[in-house]
Amino acid sequence: GQNIDQPTEMTATEGAIVQINCTYQTSGFNGLFWYQQHAGEAPTFLSYNVLDGLEEKGRFSSFLSRSKGYSYLLLKELQMKDSASYLCAVRGGGGGNKLTFGTGTQLKVEL
Amino acid sequence: DGGITQSPKYLFRKEGQNVTLSCEQNLNHDAMYWYRQDPGQGLRLIYYSQIVNDFQKGDIAEGYSVSREKKESFPLTVTSAQKNPTAFYLCASSISGELSEVFDEQFFGPGTRLTVL
Repeated sequence: GQNIDQPTEMTATEGAIVQINCTYQTSGFNGLFWYQQHAGEAPTFLSYNVLDGLEEKGRFSSFLSRSKGYSYLLLKELQMKDSASYLCAVRGGGGGNKLTFGTGTQLKVEL
Repeated sequence: DGGITQSPKYLFRKEGQNVTLSCEQNLNHDAMYWYRQDPGQGLRLIYYSQIVNDFQKGDIAEGYSVSREKKESFPLTVTSAQKNPTAFYLCASSISGELSEVFDEQFFGPGTRLTVL
């Protein structure tokens, strides 16, 4: 089976750093994606990890530990526009290029 | 500009009626996907198609049907058998439908919000 866990909500201050964790238990693993989704809109791609370690992309970084079934998304220099839902998704298991999504973490950035 | 379009953005139907949601992509992607999203929940896979004229059930296919007669089109029909059809429906596509470790993100359309009255 597939199980992906993320915190439901987080609150952080503008300019700060926030870390959103994701743990997964899946029947196969071929990569982990992070997407950002503003309310009522389509998810947009943020980052991808398939090997252990850190991937950095501007203000966003993502880390993966396959042995621990764990990833995190790190957002630096938070801006108000970063208030959104952040979705962790795992590829693999069950065939095809399918993704299994977590329920998402709703991030609220405050002044 | 390449991308994925879904229409309409908002759709209202009476209970018991079938309704078809449109999804078109001009990215020349082989694979297409339909997801359903309920408030406060993640995306759940309804159907996916790895290549034209082929499709497979996802995790919550009951009450839905699809077709893939053209590479660029993957319409979803919500039938009267779907017990709770009110939701936000998202269509996505990716270059390939094959399982690999190669980076191949799914691109999403803007979504259709279906409300059944």
